[in-house]
Amino acid sequence: EAQVTQNPRYLITVTGKKLTVTCSQNMNHEYMSWYRQDPGLGLRQIYYSMNVEVTDKGDVPEGYKVSRKEKRNFPLILESPSPNQTSLYFCASSWQADNQPQHFGDGTRLSIL
Amino acid sequence: GQQVMQIPQYQHVQEGEDFTTYCNSSTTLSNIQWYKQRPGGHPVFLIQLVKSGEVKKQKRLTFQFGEAKKNSSLHITATQTTDVGTYFCAGLATSGTYKYIFGTGTRLKVLA
Repeated sequence: EAQVTQNPRYLITVTGKKLTVTCSQNMNHEYMSWYRQDPGLGLRQIYYSMNVEVTDKGDVPEGYKVSRKEKRNFPLILESPSPNQTSLYFCASSWQADNQPQHFGDGTRLSIL
Repeated sequence: GQQVMQIPQYQHVQEGEDFTTYCNSSTTLSNIQWYKQRPGGHPVFLIQLVKSGEVKKQKRLTFQFGEAKKNSSLHITATQTTDVGTYFCAGLATSGTYKYIFGTGTRLKVLA
């Protein structure tokens, strides 16, 4: 089944404790993205990747890192999480960046205390 | 920075009534996509518009892309309870990057 898989689905952690949210897609998509969703603000793109080893900043990249060592995986890293990073996070992928529908994972709800 | 605003933020309608959400960008978009997110779910792609002035229909849903490629609308005719959710527009800016800008979303509730 074609899908985008995120883990974990839920996480409660404390300020400063490094964490990684994994994202994997099995559709051989080139373009992958991370978004955060906050009430009243819609979805905001954190980082995106055009292909392996090619990543770029979205609108809200501060406090996040990403890597794209393999085509299928695009982990989101929070080196020193802070409470303002408490949010619902979505990973998405598409064949290419433009004019292609994005397929979203089920989301990861992060709470940073 | 680039912004995409959607109005209204919330809409409650009686089942059978029509519904429209509007999307306005501060800059020209190369395309516009529409997504639906059910409560507790993830965004699901509905449609994409690319050409200036383009109109597309999917059963009871009609999508339009403005002539200047800065605005778009989604109209639902005769809403049903299955239409409940949040509708987002999203655009790929024409600035030479491949950043997607999402609208703020319109949450639709349908009263049976």
